[in-house]
Amino acid sequence: AQKITQTQPGMFVQEKEAVTLDCTYDTSDPSYGLFWYKQPSSGEMIFLIYQGSYDQQNATEGRYSLNFQKARKSANLVISASQLGDSAMYFCAMRRFASTGANSKLTFGKGITLSVRP
Amino acid sequence: AAGVIQSPRHLIKEKRETATLKCYPIPRHDTVYWYQQGPGQDPQFLISFYEKMQSDKGSIPDRFSAQQFSDYHSELNMSSLELGDSALYFCASSPRTGLWTQYFGPGTRLLVL
Repeated sequence: AQKITQTQPGMFVQEKEAVTLDCTYDTSDPSYGLFWYKQPSSGEMIFLIYQGSYDQQNATEGRYSLNFQKARKSANLVISASQLGDSAMYFCAMRRFASTGANSKLTFGKGITLSVRP
Repeated sequence: AAGVIQSPRHLIKEKRETATLKCYPIPRHDTVYWYQQGPGQDPQFLISFYEKMQSDKGSIPDRFSAQQFSDYHSELNMSSLELGDSALYFCASSPRTGLWTQYFGPGTRLLVL
């Protein structure tokens, strides 16, 4: 079974500063993927960034980077130069990579609320 | 770029009524997933389909059924609705293999009165 843990309470960050959102995971699968999604108050689920368990380098996508520490089973999201529009709920998720290569369901954490202050 | 389309976006039903939610995946995505997100909760996997066959099943009530059609769109049928079914229902799509990311539709917000 897979488990994602997001334990931070609501996070606050000043506009233009960087912020780290924590995510730890547990799985017995040797191959898996880790994801971060953003959910603003409007409700849609927006894909931000992906990290594969065998990727040697940390993933980056614009202002988003994923600090992947496999031995510690953590996959923290770093948002640089926060903007007011970054205020949202952020979910960490993972899926296993099946031996058939078939795509599989996502397991989500409980989410973290980020508020960006002007 | 084309995204996942869900309809309707909002739905209000009475208890014991039925509801049908529709999902149109991104072109060339052949796998569809349904998730349910209750108020203040994380999304929970319900069911997935590949090539019109159910590929995985999660915590989907027996009152719910779903299918995928030849054009890859999917429908989630919900019967005997209960107050606790009020939630945001997401459809996501991805290719069967290769691309890891699941892209979500805007969701259908269901309110059961």
